[in-house]
Amino acid sequence: EDQVTQSPEALRLQEGESSSLNCSYTVSGLRGLFWYRQDPGKGPEFLFTLYSAGEEKEKERLKATLTKKESFLHITAPKPEDSATYLCAVQAGGAQKLVFGQGTRLTINP
Amino acid sequence: GAVVSQHPSRVICKSGTSVKIECRSLDFQATTMFWYRQFPKKSLMLMATSNEGSKATYEQGVEKDKFLINHASLTLSTLTVTSAHPEDSSFYICSARIQGGETQYFGPGTRLLVL
Repeated sequence: EDQVTQSPEALRLQEGESSSLNCSYTVSGLRGLFWYRQDPGKGPEFLFTLYSAGEEKEKERLKATLTKKESFLHITAPKPEDSATYLCAVQAGGAQKLVFGQGTRLTINP
Repeated sequence: GAVVSQHPSRVICKSGTSVKIECRSLDFQATTMFWYRQFPKKSLMLMATSNEGSKATYEQGVEKDKFLINHASLTLSTLTVTSAHPEDSSFYICSARIQGGETQYFGPGTRLLVL
């Protein structure tokens, strides 16, 4: 069964304090790994899609990396507006649907 | 680009009534749309996958007669909650996938409260 586990469940950082969020997965034939950001009361906002081990993508203060077993979302010098829940999801080969992790609630204190 | 809208954003209804939620892809065509339900502080739970022009595929445990899904065009899918009850109160979110693509783009969600 395809599974996604995110850690930590919650993370509090001071503004400017860099850190990483983890997404571990087991999937039969990875078709894609997706990162989303979700603010309270809103739908998830797409951040990145990664397809193969070794791939990296960046957007402003965020950088996503992928290995054969996990993905990391690195956040560099975060600002309070980066506070949100970050969701990781995988799509298995031959499947249409995404399997989501439980998310990491990130809080950046000014 | 890749904008998905939902209407309404909030709805309050009486128990026993039906509620329709619309999901539209505004700037792209979506052969596949998805409907999710989200409980407070929980992750997204897939309810069904909707392919344009064909019947939706429901996840195990989701009542197809209660949650009616129609995907009549490449830019519109609707979810109708029939005979709604208080336990159907939740945050419903749709997503759409660009034709030929892999990424799902999500709508802003609809908050349903059944009294």
